[in-house]
Amino acid sequence: GAGVSQSPSNKVTEKGKDVELRCDPISGHTALYWYRQSLGQGLEFLIYFQGNSAPDKSGLPSDRFSAERTGGSVSTLTIQRTQQEDSAVYLCASSLEDRRLTYEQYFGPGTRLTVT
Amino acid sequence: KNQVEQSPQSLIILEGKNCTLQCNYTVSPFSNLRWYKQDTGRGPVSLTIMTFSENTKSNGRYTATLDADTKQSSLHITASQLSDSASYICVVRQQSSASKIIFGSGTRLSIRP
Repeated sequence: GAGVSQSPSNKVTEKGKDVELRCDPISGHTALYWYRQSLGQGLEFLIYFQGNSAPDKSGLPSDRFSAERTGGSVSTLTIQRTQQEDSAVYLCASSLEDRRLTYEQYFGPGTRLTVT
Repeated sequence: KNQVEQSPQSLIILEGKNCTLQCNYTVSPFSNLRWYKQDTGRGPVSLTIMTFSENTKSNGRYTATLDADTKQSSLHITASQLSDSASYICVVRQQSSASKIIFGSGTRLSIRP
């Protein structure tokens, strides 16, 4: 079946512009995560959606970052007034979820964001 | 502080040779540990999951070990192939918190012919 897809695959934007990154999770997956991966660094958690529960936004680095998940499926990560330090690969992952937290996260290919 | 540290940072070996990658963690309370393989330009893909009671788990040429007492894990790759060239990421999950997933910075493995 189809995996997690993300668009665009690459985005180059000027400093100060707003960008929107899209994630299409695997159908039926209730959990959705956004991460940021900088060169040579581990994945940095941004935000987590689970079903109809309030999202865990504890990883968002500033109020310029926001995300929404419509209809429990597609998610959009928005970065306002982009800065050069926002340049990174943004990865989305989805999973089923249970109390034991053993379900695998399936990752999309990422969006490479470059702020000039 | 909950951390996952991996070593070495990078490794180059010849095709056909074996190698072992290390992961030390301080994440508590521990739920499970996964090893992921990330090819260049792709998202990570899970290789294996280890829970508290498991010591060893194999997936083809990949064998993961876990010592929950010393909070160490290793990933052993046998008879390496060129396609094994990738980053290998150790990921530890905390109990009772779906979003508390701590990623190591990875080991960059290069296989030379």
